[in-house]
Amino acid sequence: KQEVTQIPAALSVPEGENLVLNCSFTDSAIYNLQWFRQDPGKGLTSLLLIQSSQREQTSGRLNASLDKSSGRSTLYIAASQPGDSATYLCAVIGSGGGADGLTFGKGTHLIIQP
Amino acid sequence: EPEVTQTPSHQVTQMGQEVILRCVPISNHLYFYWYRQILGQKVEFLVSFYNNEISEKSEIFDDQFSVERPDGSNFTLKIRSTKLEDSAMYFCASSGGLAGYTFGSGTRLTVV
Repeated sequence: KQEVTQIPAALSVPEGENLVLNCSFTDSAIYNLQWFRQDPGKGLTSLLLIQSSQREQTSGRLNASLDKSSGRSTLYIAASQPGDSATYLCAVIGSGGGADGLTFGKGTHLIIQP
Repeated sequence: EPEVTQTPSHQVTQMGQEVILRCVPISNHLYFYWYRQILGQKVEFLVSFYNNEISEKSEIFDDQFSVERPDGSNFTLKIRSTKLEDSAMYFCASSGGLAGYTFGSGTRLTVV
């Protein structure tokens, strides 16, 4: 059974710092990996999607990498801003593709101090 | 940008009552899903739906749950006899395949 772990569970840094959030998964036979952002009491906003054949994806100040063989992904946030404060979730989908559900980690709760 | 729409945003129900949570997925997506998140816990997969039938379901999705696509746009989750432990945020999502998942903003279900 796929397990997704995110480290750290919580992180508080001053504004302007670059930071790295980590995600690991136990079964490397994934279809893709997706990073989401969740604000308190709200839904999930997709940040980046990495297909299993890809190594990284970039969107603005965000960069996500994927090392499928080692079961790891990182989300790099450059020049952090207070508006980046949220919980960041990593999720993988199994090799069955669309029929399989996403398996989520518990998330990293990020606070950016002004 | 296309959105997944969920209604209601918050529902309070008495234990033992039936509830129906509604979702309008993105129109050209083929896969539809329900997830739940109990307060303070992980987002958990409940069920996937493709071509008008269930594709996969988790062990959480027992006989008290059912899903339906009653028309060309709506996708519903029915909980037949709610229990206190069904209190959670329920998320609908849809997927067009390679583009990944799009989630709705959720329905907060409170069972009293």
